Order: sequence, then C-alpha cells, then structure tokens
Amino acid sequence: GQNIDQPTEMTATEGAIVQINCTYQTSGFNGLFWYQQHAGEAPTFLSYNVLDGLEEKGRFSSFLSRSKGYSYLLLKELQMKDSASYLCAGREDSNYQLIWGAGTKLIIKP
Amino acid sequence: GAVVSQHPSWVICKSGTSVKIECRSLDFQATTMFWYRQFPKQSLMLMATSNEGSKATYEQGVEKDKFLINHASLTLSTLTVTSAHPEDSSFYICSARDSGVSSYEQYFGPGTRLTVT
Repeated sequence: GQNIDQPTEMTATEGAIVQINCTYQTSGFNGLFWYQQHAGEAPTFLSYNVLDGLEEKGRFSSFLSRSKGYSYLLLKELQMKDSASYLCAGREDSNYQLIWGAGTKLIIKP
Repeated sequence: GAVVSQHPSWVICKSGTSVKIECRSLDFQATTMFWYRQFPKQSLMLMATSNEGSKATYEQGVEKDKFLINHASLTLSTLTVTSAHPEDSSFYICSARDSGVSSYEQYFGPGTRLTVT
C-alpha cells in the first residue's frame, strides 16, 4: 500500500532547532518532497530529495534514507514566521502524482 | 518564474449553481496539472490529474460528472463544480508541473476558497 506518516503537531521555541520526521511506504519510490503551508494559503516548495543524504538550504535541511523509508526536515534558528504546516510527499515511479502526508503543524513559541 | 495563478481567489455561490475555477501556468507550459481539495485542518486531497488534450484521471470517490475538468491548452485547466452543495465548500488548489524541465516539482496556485450557501 501507499502511506506517508508524520506527526500531527509539534511545538518548539523561537531560536531553537526542530526536526520533523516522515516515514513512507510506497509501491515505488522516486523522490520525496517537503512543502510549507501557512494557514489559508497554498503550499510552497521547500526541498526535494531523491538520493540518500542531507541537503542543506539555508536554515532548512532535508534528509533521506531510502533503505529505511525515512526522511526528516530540520529547521534551525526558528522564527515565529516558521509557524506553519509542513507537508511530506512522496513521488512514485513512472508518474507525477505525489502521495501526501497529513502534514505536521509546527507551533513556535517565544 | 514558475508562477501558477488561480481565479477566482474566493467565491460564494448558492446551492444548486455551478462554479468554474481557472488554473493558469503563467510562464511555463504544463501538460499535467493537479486539482486538490483541502478541508480545514486537513491535508491536501488529490481530486484529479488533468492532462492537456485528454480526459482527466479522477481519484477514487471523486465524481467526474460533478467536478468537470477541462485542460484545453498547455497553460490552462479549469475545474467546474456543478450543482454545488454546502458540503462542497472547501479550499480548492491546483498545481502544475513544468513540462519543459526534468524536475518533478509541482508549482501551486494560491487556491480558491469556495463557500456554498
């Protein structure tokens, strides 16, 4: 079957670091996306991993382990504006559809 | 680059009427567009995959006669909600894939908030 799991909600403190985990089970695999979505807005692209390892992009980094079916999004130096939902999505082989997780609502406290 | 627009951004309609939502890729060609629906505090639900020049592929449980999709050009797909009911009230979001590059990233439109009274 196809399944993407991520925590429903997380809370972190401004200036700190938070890691949002995502595990996936798909019939095929050809990459994993992370998107950020603020309430009432459309998702915006954060990262795409297709090979194992860590990809760093400013304050945000994304990690993938294909053998473990696992990814995480790491957010450093948290800012209040980082309060949003973070969506993990996997791409299956041979098509462009994404399998979406339910999203992790991240709450940043001062 | 890679901008997707949606129109209208919000719409209120009466029960039983039809509403058309447009999704345009402004600076790239998109042979494939996706239509999603999102209820409050829930994740994206893929409704259908829109393919230019051919029939859309609908996800299980989505009524193709109620949600009409037309992808008549490489930059425009439309979703028409026919005979809308209050339970159709939702946030509808489209996304598009740039046909000209090998990236699999989907670019999202800003969404359309539909309220059926």
